[in-house]
Amino acid sequence: DAGITQSPRHKVTETGTPVTLRCHQTENHRYMYWYRQDPGHGLRLIHYSYGVKDTDKGEVSDGYSVSRSKTEDFLLTLESATSSQTSVYFCAIRDPTSGGETQYFGPGTRLLVL
Amino acid sequence: KQEVTQIPAALSVPEGENLVLNCSFTDSAIYNLQWFRQDPGKGLTSLLLIQSSQREQTSGRLNASLDKSSGRSTLYIAASQPGDSATYLCAVPGPGSSNTGKLIFGQGTTLQVKP
Repeated sequence: DAGITQSPRHKVTETGTPVTLRCHQTENHRYMYWYRQDPGHGLRLIHYSYGVKDTDKGEVSDGYSVSRSKTEDFLLTLESATSSQTSVYFCAIRDPTSGGETQYFGPGTRLLVL
Repeated sequence: KQEVTQIPAALSVPEGENLVLNCSFTDSAIYNLQWFRQDPGKGLTSLLLIQSSQREQTSGRLNASLDKSSGRSTLYIAASQPGDSATYLCAVPGPGSSNTGKLIFGQGTTLQVKP
């Protein structure tokens, strides 16, 4: 398995509070991605990173911000959580120079916003 | 806008059957297509990646085909086993994704193989 961990694995929070999810990789892959998975919508890309301090928006980026200060860590922040952000969040990594186009996924974080 | 559809949403078969999962996409200008497996409560695991220049890709009992002109891909599972029970998702590159690797996913087919 690719060395990807996500923390926390489960979180319950209240509307309006900030939340930060962490993705950590040990593969030294250049690209990192944050997806959310919801019934009826499948997986949708939130933000991605193509290097340290290099990030860009995905399909559903409103209400989310990201940061990548080190190759191994990619943080997803919900500045003020809303109930619509209740979801399962997945991190993925990719390195086209070594692993081709394949993306490797973390185990996911289940977030419940009350 | 690229859309990916997987039909059926759910499938139940007896053990030992050969089966085909379908994936269709609206924009044929893709350079690859990936099939993933997701077990309940888990992340996704890559099964097969087919480049646009290929028509098939095989791994063990799995065979994936790609027909860009018709906007279709199939995942063939031979001699299904209860351990194959999972959700299978296909994904294609999104717009402007030649370097970024952004993916657009179908909603998946949930397969149950009964002993």
